[in-house]
Amino acid sequence: EVQLQQSGPELRRPGSSVKLSCKASGYSITDYLMHWVKHRPEHGLEWIGWIDPEDGETKYAQKFQSKATLTADTSSNTAYMQLSSLTSEDTATYFCARAAGTLVMDAWGQGASVTVSS
Amino acid sequence: DIQMTQSPASLSASLGETVTIECLASEDIYSNLAWYQQKPGKSPQLLIYDASSLQDGVPSRFSGSESGTQYSLEINSLQSEDAATYFCQQHHDYPPTFGGGTKLELK
Repeated sequence: EVQLQQSGPELRRPGSSVKLSCKASGYSITDYLMHWVKHRPEHGLEWIGWIDPEDGETKYAQKFQSKATLTADTSSNTAYMQLSSLTSEDTATYFCARAAGTLVMDAWGQGASVTVSS
Repeated sequence: DIQMTQSPASLSASLGETVTIECLASEDIYSNLAWYQQKPGKSPQLLIYDASSLQDGVPSRFSGSESGTQYSLEINSLQSEDAATYFCQQHHDYPPTFGGGTKLELK
């Protein structure tokens, strides 16, 4: 069974950074792209980008290019997303999701809540 | 970016009824449309991709169709476990974009 287990909720100060993890089980992360998606109830879902864990290639939405950094550790079958220079606008739930093909997402993590507050 | 306008934002229906949720794309997405279901406290689940292809394990009461740039998700014979939020996503072009979601409540 394919599962994506994400790290727990985070509380950060404005200006700091946070690194979220997404541990895959039931498959090798090198076989699929991994997407990251942001969810805020009042803004809906926003695609952040994807990483190809096999070679580290990444593709980002323009608005997240200087905000998010996607990495992967194949030895632990885990993908990561670091968010930098946090502001209140980064308060959201972040999902990792396995790609089926390229832009379809066929398995999702449970989401990780990030709260940015002073 | 391609805009996906989803309607209605919410709806209420009874067990056994049929409901339809729609998404309008701001331009041609060539049938590259996926539908997802998200139950409270759970991860989104892929239901349909390529506008009408049913994901493995998804009940056949879910179906997708299209007419031009308008895409529809139909749920037949509503069951209690169908109470969820549904959202569409275009997978034609970067960045992939999502509809605003439809919250389905069972009466």
